[in-house]
Amino acid sequence: GEDVEQSLFLSVREGDSSVINCTYTDSSSTYLYWYKQEPGAGLQLLTYIFSNMDMKQDQRLTVLLNKKDKHLSLRIADTQTGDSAIYFCAEGRGSYIPTFGRGTSLIVHP
Amino acid sequence: SAVISQKPSRDICQRGTSLTIQCQVDSQVTMMFWYRQQPGQSLTLIATANQGSEATYESGFVIDKFPISRPNLTFSTLTVSNMSPEDSSIYLCSVKAGGNEQYFGPGTRLTVT
Repeated sequence: GEDVEQSLFLSVREGDSSVINCTYTDSSSTYLYWYKQEPGAGLQLLTYIFSNMDMKQDQRLTVLLNKKDKHLSLRIADTQTGDSAIYFCAEGRGSYIPTFGRGTSLIVHP
Repeated sequence: SAVISQKPSRDICQRGTSLTIQCQVDSQVTMMFWYRQQPGQSLTLIATANQGSEATYESGFVIDKFPISRPNLTFSTLTVSNMSPEDSSIYLCSVKAGGNEQYFGPGTRLTVT
């Protein structure tokens, strides 16, 4: 199976919260990342969390990490149409290259 | 952080030709990476390019098909050689900066006809 798994699509109504989930297999991962890719653009690093943390909040973004279950989530509060994009989860160890999931397409509708 | 630019942003090429993609970073970085992103797929690492040494290629990618140059600490090129329609993809340049943060360029969208 894949090392990092995400659901492919998520549809939410504008103003609601979005929760994008990710599971990974490498228990030695030390960093877990979330990237955003808007249409026609490269990947933008949104946030990352160290594996010794269980939560990180940055404005409308909240990252939750359950290391026991190897589960990572990204919550976007008050989702806006500008949040429509593909969100990639990635896991990494130190200087190693991160392993990316296939991305979750977030669709925000009025 | 690091700001990365790529040229060209997109191109349509004929089968059998080659295209060289340029990547420029606004700061000196040790490691630069080239990824491929096919439609609906995750990012696939092609190779790691360090200045002063040959690029290290991942399984399934070879130097003859994807030659890479890294003449200095802010610049790299990736050439896609003898292209076929299967090479149609987005090619992304990436660097590590600030410790464990990895940044990406805007990508080069390649279509091979």
